[in-house]
Amino acid sequence: DAKTTQPTSMDCAEGRAANLPCNHSTISGNEYVYWYRQIHSQGPQYIIHGLKNNETNEMASLIITEDRKSSTLILPHATLRDTAVYYCIVRGRLGNQFYFGTGTSLTVIP
Amino acid sequence: EPEVTQTPSHQVTQMGQEVILRCVPISNHLYFYWYRQILGQKVEFLVSFYNNEISEKSEIFDDQFSVERPDGSNFTLKIRSTKLEDSAMYFCASSRDTGLAGVALDTQYFGPGTRLTVL
Repeated sequence: DAKTTQPTSMDCAEGRAANLPCNHSTISGNEYVYWYRQIHSQGPQYIIHGLKNNETNEMASLIITEDRKSSTLILPHATLRDTAVYYCIVRGRLGNQFYFGTGTSLTVIP
Repeated sequence: EPEVTQTPSHQVTQMGQEVILRCVPISNHLYFYWYRQILGQKVEFLVSFYNNEISEKSEIFDDQFSVERPDGSNFTLKIRSTKLEDSAMYFCASSRDTGLAGVALDTQYFGPGTRLTVL
C-alpha cells in the first residue's frame, strides 16, 4: 500500500471548517483513500473513503485531486468533539490490513 | 447502529499469565482483525481472520498469540504467556465480505478496545 504524509498537528476554531491534507504521491490506480480518526485512546472511527471522485457523508467531505496524489478531509463545522488524531490511509483492493501512520492531531479551539 | 464490542475494557495480569481478550464483531461481518496500540505509539496490525483461519499476520503475532472463533458470535485473542511489553490497547475490528474470494475491501469497524496491563 502507498505511503501517506500528513502534518503532525493542526488547530481549528470551533464552528469553522477543518481542512486536513494528505499526500499520497505513490498511490496506484486501484488503491482507495480512507480516513479514520481516534479520539483519545478510543478505537479508530471510520470517517469516509474514496477512489477518485469526491465523496461526502454526514461526517465529512473528501476531496481527491485529479492526479490522486493528494486529498483533503473537510469537517465543515468543527466542534470541540472533533478534537482527535486523524489518519489518512491508502489501501489496495487486495489488502487485508490498514497501516496507521502517526496521523494529524487536530485540536478544535473554542 | 450495529457496533463491535470488546470485553473486558481493562485487564490487569501478572507477567507469564495467559489472557484472553474477547470481541463480538458486527453480526453480518465475516472478516475479523486484531490491532494493538502501545501507549503513545501507532496502531499496529496483528492478525486478520476469515473462514475460520488466519488470512494474514504481522511479525508481532508470534507463537505466543492465537486467535479463535469459538462460536458464531465471539472472536478471541489469546496471549499465552504475557510479557511486560504486551501492555497496550488491543482493538478488534470487523468488515463485510465483498463477495470476491479473499478480498476484504470493505470498511473495517473498530471496537472500543481492551486495555491490557501486564505487571
